Amino acid sequence: AQKVTQAQTEISVVEKEDVTLDCVYETRDTTYYLFWYKQPPSGELVFLIRRNSFDEQNEISGRYSWNFQKSTSSFNFTITASQVVDSAVYFCALILGSNYKLTFGKGTLLTVNP
Amino acid sequence: GAGVSQSPRYKVAKRGQDVALRCDPISGHVSLFWYQQALGQGPEFLTYFQNEAQLDKSGLPSDRFFAERPEGSVSTLKIQRTQQEDSAVYLCASSSQGGHGGYTFGSGTRLTVV
Repeated sequence: AQKVTQAQTEISVVEKEDVTLDCVYETRDTTYYLFWYKQPPSGELVFLIRRNSFDEQNEISGRYSWNFQKSTSSFNFTITASQVVDSAVYFCALILGSNYKLTFGKGTLLTVNP
Repeated sequence: GAGVSQSPRYKVAKRGQDVALRCDPISGHVSLFWYQQALGQGPEFLTYFQNEAQLDKSGLPSDRFFAERPEGSVSTLKIQRTQQEDSAVYLCASSSQGGHGGYTFGSGTRLTVV
């Protein structure tokens, strides 16, 4: 069965610091999709990114960047120059290629202090 | 609508009471999902609809949980004889296609059973 581990339960940083959120996944399937979602205090899950297992190219979107390494089964998320509005719970998740169910990690609570 | 709408936003139920949680997906979205998020945990899959057909209910924790989507749009998650362990946030998500993520989530219904 697949599994997603987010070892960091809580991270606290000061505004403008860079912060990396770790995600390690387990699956025996060769086709799968990895995701990051943001959950602000309002509760909804906001989709940030999806990567498929065949595309290990790193991605950058503004202050956000993602590092996908199949060799270590990791899909880490970095926020550069963090802002108070980045404060939220961040979830890493996995879907197998043959399926539709998201398997989530337990999430990392990021607090960015002014 | 512009997003996935869930109601009520908060629900307090006495143990043993029946509750009904509503989800209004994005208009035209074929796929609809329910997830349960316990405090401090990632969401966990409950059930999946494609139009009005419930294709997967493997995540429903007991036969007290029942979901329907009779006309292929609005969905209702019903919990009979609520127990304290049912306390959680119930999230609904919809998608224009069946799988591989990128779902739009609602803000959830926070159920507290006292």
